[in-house]
Amino acid sequence: GAVVSQHPSRVICKSGTSVKIECRSLDFQATTMFWYRQFPKQSLMLMATSNEGSKATYEQGVEKDKFLINHASLTLSTLTVTSAHPEDSSFYICSASGTYSGNTEAFFGQGTRLTVV
Amino acid sequence: AQSVTQPDIHITVSEGASLELRCNYSYGATPYLFWYVQSPGQGLQLLLKYFSGDTLVQGIKGFEAEFKRSQSSFNLRKPSVHWSDAAEYFCAVARSGSARQLTFGSGTQLTVLP
Repeated sequence: GAVVSQHPSRVICKSGTSVKIECRSLDFQATTMFWYRQFPKQSLMLMATSNEGSKATYEQGVEKDKFLINHASLTLSTLTVTSAHPEDSSFYICSASGTYSGNTEAFFGQGTRLTVV
Repeated sequence: AQSVTQPDIHITVSEGASLELRCNYSYGATPYLFWYVQSPGQGLQLLLKYFSGDTLVQGIKGFEAEFKRSQSSFNLRKPSVHWSDAAEYFCAVARSGSARQLTFGSGTQLTVLP
């Protein structure tokens, strides 16, 4: 149980285009999802927290208009990197929390490697 | 605000040797603590977690960790390392008494020599 799936696992896009990353909870309802970013050889940094049906809460320094987060259902959250640039190339990981753990723990997806060329 | 320090950026051990990865945290209340492992290009796999109770926590793959409140530490140990244990290890602490929103340490890269 508690499976979180991210799609795609890898994506390459051209500079200036937008790319959408999906995070799905497969066997539980995720009332809250978290998006993290990991630069090469660095740790994971929380970008934003999204509650189903509400606007996401972004961490300081994260551009809301650059990283659009939608959490419209209890099993799906999406992160859209708009007008992507090479500096947005990174590893993005989501985690989800909800009914599986009594909302006390979050489970991670397998991550998405974004490369902007 | 909570923080996590992993003092060792890179550790090298021989296969079969014992391993200890250090983790120190800063948090005002009783923390929720985690250890994750990440293989190259992969996501995170939870090794073990501490919420409360017994301070010695057993995890998967033969790992264990001990919570020491007096030292604000949560060190990860394994008595005999296997070559497949080579990976990046992250210690994390949960924010605000919830186990959902994590602050991660900078990670320790483990190399295993044959």
